[in-house]
Amino acid sequence: EAQVTQNPRYLITVTGKKLTVTCSQNMNHEYMSWYRQDPGLGLRQIYYSMNVEVTDKGDVPEGYKVSRKEKRNFPLILESPSPNQTSLYFCASRIRQDSVDTQYFGPGTRLTVL
Amino acid sequence: AQTVTQSQPEMSVQEAETVTLSCTYDTSESDYYLFWYKQPPSRQMILVIRQEAYKQQNATENRFSVNFQKAAKSFSLKISDSQLGDAAMYFCAYRTTTGNQFYFGTGTSLTVIP
Repeated sequence: EAQVTQNPRYLITVTGKKLTVTCSQNMNHEYMSWYRQDPGLGLRQIYYSMNVEVTDKGDVPEGYKVSRKEKRNFPLILESPSPNQTSLYFCASRIRQDSVDTQYFGPGTRLTVL
Repeated sequence: AQTVTQSQPEMSVQEAETVTLSCTYDTSESDYYLFWYKQPPSRQMILVIRQEAYKQQNATENRFSVNFQKAAKSFSLKISDSQLGDAAMYFCAYRTTTGNQFYFGTGTSLTVIP
């Protein structure tokens, strides 16, 4: 089954404790992306990657890091989480072909930073 | 930067009736993609419909159709014969054909009344 998986689905942590949210897709998609969703703000793009070792900032990259060492994985790293990073996070992937522009989302990760 | 505006935070519709969700966007690009995503209570993001800006014909997917007015930069979603399962948050989104960033609106929460 084609899917994007994220782990963990729920996480409660404390300020300053480094964490990683993993994202994996089994569709051989080149493009992957991370979003955060906050009430009243919709989804905002954090980082995206067009291929292995190619990443770029989205609208709200501050406080986040990503890496793309393998095509299927795109982890999101919070080196020193702060309460304003409490949010719902989505990973997504899509084929990098404009004729087929469908983005597949993961189930989301609910992060709470105390 | 591109912006996507959904001016209706909440909408409701009687079961079996038709409802239209509004979306406007701001861009200086001539070619781009527009999307409607559905987010049910499970929080999964599901693609409902997409429209390529160079196509004059409005996209349709079963009970879902769009009214794409390029000059007015308007992209509304019409849901016909509304069903209880249509109750969800709906997001309008935009992407250029050359870029890799997605821009989302703030969402419209749709309630379906039995």
